[in-house]
Amino acid sequence: GNSVTQMEGPVTLSEEAFLTINCTYTATGYPSLFWYVQYPGEGLQLLLKATKADDKGSNKGFEATYRKETTSFHLEKGSVQVSDSAVYFCARAGSGNTGKLIFGQGTTLQVKP
Amino acid sequence: GAVVSQHPSRVICKSGTSVKIECRSLDFQATTMFWYRQFPKQSLMLMATSNEGSKATYEQGVEKDKFLINHASLTLSTLTVTSAHPEDSSFYICSARGQGGDNEKLFFGSGTQLSVL
Repeated sequence: GNSVTQMEGPVTLSEEAFLTINCTYTATGYPSLFWYVQYPGEGLQLLLKATKADDKGSNKGFEATYRKETTSFHLEKGSVQVSDSAVYFCARAGSGNTGKLIFGQGTTLQVKP
Repeated sequence: GAVVSQHPSRVICKSGTSVKIECRSLDFQATTMFWYRQFPKQSLMLMATSNEGSKATYEQGVEKDKFLINHASLTLSTLTVTSAHPEDSSFYICSARGQGGDNEKLFFGSGTQLSVL
């Protein structure tokens, strides 16, 4: 089927630790891929995106590379901060330019000082 | 950046009552709005797509008579959960796409946590 699977949380890290949140997808073709972040009390915000295979999206120190061979889009950050504590959602575009998104279940990240 | 306001952020209601959730685009005109629902530890699932001035398109398995969607203007869409039951307790979130926007120009509300007693 068409789905997005991301690692279960919560993920708890100390400040300056390395972060990886795994995300894999199933799809027909090569849809655009996204990472969204939701800080407490706020709406989902687009963190980064990649629109084709081998593209690397990056923003605020976060990176994710569109890997068609492994159908993955893992989120990484070299050194997390307390302010990165949030819920992270991996998503892929639905078919056609409809605006529909197919999300993973979200991963809660908690960074401790 | 563009802002989408969703209200209320949290609501508790009795079984059998109806609850209305509003989604407003504050600084742009949203031709299309989307309503999602998330049960604990599960994905955000698209419920329906609404276009201004026309009937909403519901995803398979979503009851249109239970989840009434109105998109009467370019800045406001509402979701009404009618005759709510405990199994409707969930997190509901809207997103909006502006005119001429693409898949990547979507802006989300902060969500509504509905608890039905």
